[in-house]
Amino acid sequence: EVQLLESGGGLVQPGGSLRLSCAASGLTFSRFAMSWVRQAPGKGLEWVSTISGSASTTYYADSVKGRFTISRDNSNNTLYLQMNSLRAEDTALYYCAKDLTSSGWGSWFDPWGQGTLVTVSS
Amino acid sequence: SYVLTQPPSVSVAPGQTARITCGGNNIGSKSVHWYQQKPGQAPVLVVYDDTDRPSGIPERFSGSNSGNTATLTISRVEAGDEADYYCQVWDSSSDHVIFGGGTKLTVL
Repeated sequence: EVQLLESGGGLVQPGGSLRLSCAASGLTFSRFAMSWVRQAPGKGLEWVSTISGSASTTYYADSVKGRFTISRDNSNNTLYLQMNSLRAEDTALYYCAKDLTSSGWGSWFDPWGQGTLVTVSS
Repeated sequence: SYVLTQPPSVSVAPGQTARITCGGNNIGSKSVHWYQQKPGQAPVLVVYDDTDRPSGIPERFSGSNSGNTATLTISRVEAGDEADYYCQVWDSSSDHVIFGGGTKLTVL
């Protein structure tokens, strides 16, 4: 059974930085693209970023491009999201999710982790 | 950028059929995926590639996609189906994942 466990969320001031992690188990991690999807309180799902299984290709939502960086450590089955220049509108529950392809292109997500909460506030 | 439009809410009585639509320009040319999210829980994939069900998802859940509308159909609705449902596509023109705004299914 695939399990995804996010960590690293917390309270951060506007303009600050935070790094999220997602530890994966129960899969051959390097074979699958991985993604981050967020959900602001009481709102819908918003895709953030995707990285291919080999880490050679990354995709970003326009709202985070240039501020967030997705990466992965295939030797430790861990996905990361480095978030810089955080804004109040980045406040959300951040989910990591396994893609069903290795490239991430055209993919969908199954399963999802339980999420880690990021709050950007002074 | 590509936009997916879902009705904010759909209500149905137990045992009846619920249909949740997802509108988009020529969405029939894309693969559509659907997620169920119950309160306080992570989303769960219920339909992928327009019509396929992951293992463990009841046959009551089905999908279709044609023209400008994709539809998630839930037959013989149960109280436990009450949740938010989201459609999702990959927009190849922007290399972005797109989610619909979500539909709250209420079982009367």
